[in-house]
Amino acid sequence: GESVGLHLPTLSVQEGDNSIINCAYSNSASDYFIWYKQESGKGPQFIIDIRSNMDKRQGQRVTVLLNKTVKHLSLQIAATQPGDSAVYFCAENWTDSSYKLIFGSGTRLLVRP
Amino acid sequence: DGGITQSPKYLFRKEGQNVTLSCEQNLNHDAMYWYRQDPGQGLRLIYYSQIVNDFQKGDIAEGYSVSREKKESFPLTVTSAQKNPTAFYLCASSTRDRSYTFGSGTRLTVV
Repeated sequence: GESVGLHLPTLSVQEGDNSIINCAYSNSASDYFIWYKQESGKGPQFIIDIRSNMDKRQGQRVTVLLNKTVKHLSLQIAATQPGDSAVYFCAENWTDSSYKLIFGSGTRLLVRP
Repeated sequence: DGGITQSPKYLFRKEGQNVTLSCEQNLNHDAMYWYRQDPGQGLRLIYYSQIVNDFQKGDIAEGYSVSREKKESFPLTVTSAQKNPTAFYLCASSTRDRSYTFGSGTRLTVV
């Protein structure tokens, strides 16, 4: 079946640097994407979302970029902090009769002090 | 405050036993979902329900069963047919405009 995948399983960055986490999706019908942050033993926490009619969306210290031509999604975290250390997932959804989210395998972000 | 409550937080199951994981939401969300997460892995969809008394299988439904008798509740039963049930189970709900909320999870261990 179609799924969302990630290029980098682990990303290590220096505190204060910018982080970029990538995601490839394969369902061309997907029109809604979400980035989640998950800390150990907890449920996913919403970070930012983007719909397919946009190619960029900014939040507080985070930016999501969507490239529909190559089916690629990225999450940029500015001035990465120790509290950003977690696993990050992208998820996709497409408009049909259901609202289920399909998740990628995740990227672990490690922030070095 | 509105949200999703999963219980218990930790659950231990003996071989051959059925166990039921609880998921309750007071968000008035129509849709509810169950995901399984294995260590170092992403979330895989087990079952989902869009309305009361209706549910559909996800990608890994074998060995699991659900019911949706009330809008607020979507319990998941892990049956003895599930050969490798040790995992972290997450429940979620959503509105029709795709606003999702996740519970804090239940960690199931076979002993």
